[in-house]
Formats: sequence, C-alpha cells, structure tokens
Amino acid sequence: GENVEQHPSTLSVQEGDSAVIKCTYSDSASNYFPWYKQELGKRPQLIIDIRSNVGEKKDQRIAVTLNKTAKHFSLHITETQPEDSAVYFCAASRRLTGGGNKLTFGTGTQLKVEL
Amino acid sequence: NAGVTQTPKFQVLKTGQSMTLQCAQDMNHNSMYWYRQDPGMGLRLIYYSASEGTTDKGEVPNGYNVSRLNKREFSLRLESAAPSQTSVYFCASSYRGQGLNQPQHFGDGTRLSIL
Repeated sequence: GENVEQHPSTLSVQEGDSAVIKCTYSDSASNYFPWYKQELGKRPQLIIDIRSNVGEKKDQRIAVTLNKTAKHFSLHITETQPEDSAVYFCAASRRLTGGGNKLTFGTGTQLKVEL
Repeated sequence: NAGVTQTPKFQVLKTGQSMTLQCAQDMNHNSMYWYRQDPGMGLRLIYYSASEGTTDKGEVPNGYNVSRLNKREFSLRLESAAPSQTSVYFCASSYRGQGLNQPQHFGDGTRLSIL
C-alpha cells in the first residue's frame, strides 16, 4: 500500500520567515496530493491541493510543488504569521474503483511561528 | 449548511461496551470515510463508502463495522470496545468526481476514551 513520509515533525520559524514542509510517497499510482491544516482540537481543513498533471500551484502565501519522478511534494508558506501556527498534514491519494479517493496521510508537522 | 456533522462529540466507554458513532453530510457528496487520529500517527482510514450501497475496508478496520444508511449518513460501530480504540474519530465526505480526485471535507470529530 501507499506510504507517506513527512519531515520535519516540528518546525519553528520567526514571523515573516518562510516555512517548508516536505513529503515523499511510494505509490506511483497516486495522483492527488492535498495539504491539511489542523489547529488544536479542531478538524483538519484543506488549504491547498495539487494534481499529478501540475508541477506547482500557488494560493496567496501558500504554494505546493510536486516532483512525480522523485515522488516528493512540498508545502511552502511565505511571510509566516502567528495564525499559521498549527499542525500540517500532507496526503497522497489515488482514485478508488467506483468513485471516491483513498487518502494516506503523513504523520504531521507542528509549525510554530514565533513573534 | 452544516457540512459534515458528527455525534457525539465526546464519549467515555468501559471495555467491552458497544456504541455507534454517527456522521451526516449535507453537501450531496457521494463518498464518505471514517478515520482515526492518534498522537504522532496522522489520520488512518478505517472504512470508506465510495457510493451509497457500498462499503470497504481501509487501513485499520479490525474491531469496527460501518453502515451507509443512505446518501447522507455513514455510521461507525464498535461492537466490543477496547482501550486500543481510544482515539479521535473523524468522518469525511467528498464528491465522486468525474475521473478526478475530489477534496475530502472533515467533521469536527468524536473524542472517544475507553477505560
């Protein structure tokens, strides 16, 4: 089955700096890669996603890059703010026969943005 | 428009007791999923329902059963609770998609403790 590795497990940056979180996946059939942000005690919330036919996607301060050959993808957050502090999860997914998709999650990165 | 609603939010059980976790979505999604989240392990798929009338095992199905009651509702049952099932349980849903993976949207979770 799919295996997703995520690094680092914790990341501390100064406000205004950039943060980068990296993930690797094992299943070459995976073709959809979402990123979720989870604040303490809350639900995971989708912040950005990328499909395998695209190499990069940007949404304001957040960007994701995908290297299919190397089977890795990364989340980039620029100009970090205290409200960016949370746990971030990457995931890899492939479509299921009959619809839906099967997400395999990384183990999460605790991001702390310090003033 | 509530999105994905889970009940109860908290529950404490004794070993051997049974209970059903309820999940309902009002987004007209076809696919629904149950995950568990344990510290340091990310989210792991327990069961999923690609469409109404179908269910299938995920990564960690042992000790659980599911029922897709209708298009809106997908329940998770613990027949004989064990301390190892202490976790936070999340329900999610997504569109079936037209050949593409679709984002999964999560509920607020059920925090379950088994003594």
